[in-house]
Amino acid sequence: SQKIEQNSEALNIQEGKTATLTCNYTNYSPAYLQWYRQDPGRGPVFLLLIRENEKEKRKERLKVTFDTTLKQSLFHITASQPADSATYLCASPIGQNFVFGPGTRLSVLP
Amino acid sequence: KAGVTQTPRYLIKTRGQQVTLSCSPISGHRSVSWYQQTPGQGLQFLFEYFSETQRNKGNFPGRFSGRQFSNSRSEMNVSTLELGDSALYLCASSLLAALSRNEQFFGPGTRLTVL
Repeated sequence: SQKIEQNSEALNIQEGKTATLTCNYTNYSPAYLQWYRQDPGRGPVFLLLIRENEKEKRKERLKVTFDTTLKQSLFHITASQPADSATYLCASPIGQNFVFGPGTRLSVLP
Repeated sequence: KAGVTQTPRYLIKTRGQQVTLSCSPISGHRSVSWYQQTPGQGLQFLFEYFSETQRNKGNFPGRFSGRQFSNSRSEMNVSTLELGDSALYLCASSLLAALSRNEQFFGPGTRLTVL
């Protein structure tokens, strides 16, 4: 079946380090992937979109890559800060559906 | 520009009742999508309305329905509520169709509890 997965349910890293989150997709080829951030009790906030023909996208301390061979997108936060602590979700359309991964809860420890 | 607003923010209903949730998109946005978020199933797509027409639909039963008005405001209705319908219901708006490489702007959600 077609699905989108995020390998880690939770990730703890030290402040100042680079956080790397993984999103994998199975049995389909997304035209694009999106990454969102969600804080507890709030709606997701869009961060970045990367198209299938793009290898990498950057926005300030954020970087996302798209590897169609590995069927994977990586999301990086460099020089992480405690304020980056949140759940990060990847998402893409699958047929008539817009599907979110289960999310990775990132904790940046001071 | 005002963000996406949802009313009510909290709602308590009993099994068998029906409920209507409302969403006002960002001014100028024509697409409104609805999502259900639960701890067990995560964030799941219900449906999308674009220019008053349902464009896309997720895998939810017919008890979940919606509509969109000419001013792009949208309502979602759930009939014959079940305990499993307890969730955070999120509405998202986008300038163009949600599945067309558009970023979606989410509202704060309506927390529905079914007793």
